[in-house]
Amino acid sequence: AQTVTQSQPEMSVQEAETVTLSCTYDTSESDYYLFWYKQPPSRQMILVIRQEAYKQQNATENRFSVNFQKAAKSFSLKISDSQLGDAAMYFCAYSNSKLTFGKGITLSVRP
Amino acid sequence: GAVVSQHPSRVICKSGTSVKIECRSLDFQATTMFWYRQFPKQSLMLMATSNEGSKATYEQGVEKDKFLINHASLTLSTLTVTSAHPEDSSFYICSARTNTKDIQYFGAGTRLSVL
Repeated sequence: AQTVTQSQPEMSVQEAETVTLSCTYDTSESDYYLFWYKQPPSRQMILVIRQEAYKQQNATENRFSVNFQKAAKSFSLKISDSQLGDAAMYFCAYSNSKLTFGKGITLSVRP
Repeated sequence: GAVVSQHPSRVICKSGTSVKIECRSLDFQATTMFWYRQFPKQSLMLMATSNEGSKATYEQGVEKDKFLINHASLTLSTLTVTSAHPEDSSFYICSARTNTKDIQYFGAGTRLSVL
């Protein structure tokens, strides 16, 4: 079975600074997808970024980018120029047919 | 992006009653819909996967007679919590996707409180 590990329960970042959220996963599959989802206090799940495992190039979406290390089974999220609206719970997720979520990390942004 | 509507957003019911939650894909056809349960400050736990026109597949430990799922069309799935009890109180979230390679889009969730 696939597992997703987010070992840091909480992180804090100063507004305008950069923060990296860690995620590792375990799978025997070669074709899969990885996601980062954001869940603000409203609890609406919002897709932040997606990475296809067969693509070596790291995905980027504006201020959000990933460092995908397939051999190491690592998938970290970097948030640049952090904004107050980035404060939320962030979930790393693995998918080959259904999503397996990590435990999540609560990110706070200091003004 | 694709929009998934979930209704109601909040429901309070008495113990022993049944509650139905609807999940609709508004601007795309969802071949597969998923139902999750989330406790405060915890991750999402997959309860079941439903494909249009077929029986839902339940995760281990989820009672299929307690949580009835119907996926009658490509845009609508429903979750019915039957004979609800206080321990069923939780946040329920649905999601939908078009195919296995596509992104899951989430509804806004339903907070169920059973008195």
